[in-house]
Amino acid sequence: AQSVAQPEDQVNVAEGNPLTVKCTYSVSGNPYLFWYVQYPNRGLQFLLKYITGDNLVKGSYGFEAEFNKSQTSFHLKKPSALVSDSALYFCAVRDGYSSASKIIFGSGTRLSIRP
Amino acid sequence: SAVISQKPSRDICQRGTSLTIQCQVDSQVTMMFWYRQQPGQSLTLIATANQGSEATYESGFVIDKFPISRPNLTFSTLTVSNMSPEDSSIYLCSVDLQGALEDTQYFGPGTRLTVL
Repeated sequence: AQSVAQPEDQVNVAEGNPLTVKCTYSVSGNPYLFWYVQYPNRGLQFLLKYITGDNLVKGSYGFEAEFNKSQTSFHLKKPSALVSDSALYFCAVRDGYSSASKIIFGSGTRLSIRP
Repeated sequence: SAVISQKPSRDICQRGTSLTIQCQVDSQVTMMFWYRQQPGQSLTLIATANQGSEATYESGFVIDKFPISRPNLTFSTLTVSNMSPEDSSIYLCSVDLQGALEDTQYFGPGTRLTVL
């Protein structure tokens, strides 16, 4: 069975400071990992993904995430936060070994950037 | 990527009525998904809709309550039947673009449903 955990319900960061949103996962095969962002009254927008290759993945809006196999983590990071980054962030995982596997979403982390 | 639209974007409905949500994609896709996001919650998969076959429902969701149509490779509908206030949620359509460079799900803007 696969699962994904986002241990923080909320992360608060001052504008201009670096931010990290944590995510850990569990899959039996190869992990396909994703980050999505949801702005108020909007659907989910794809940010970035890790399938294979370089452990550091760069995505939209200056975000990046690092795949750490030994720690089964895929934390989302940004060097300098913007107020406009305030939103709900979802980590997701699917088992890449199985073409029939479904994507599983974490519980979400609300990111709040204060001016 | 894929461009996905949903209609309506929001609606307020009376208890006992039904609402049909439409999802349109700008390219042909094999797999489409319907999710529910209850207030303050994560996404829960309702069903997977493949063209030419009946939808596959997840545990806790049944066809009588959430009938789905998938008449072609770019369109699907989800009906929320005999609604109650507990059905108030955001309903999201999603498509799966699989391939060497994709393996990513893209989401529509969602339909915000309020049941009174």
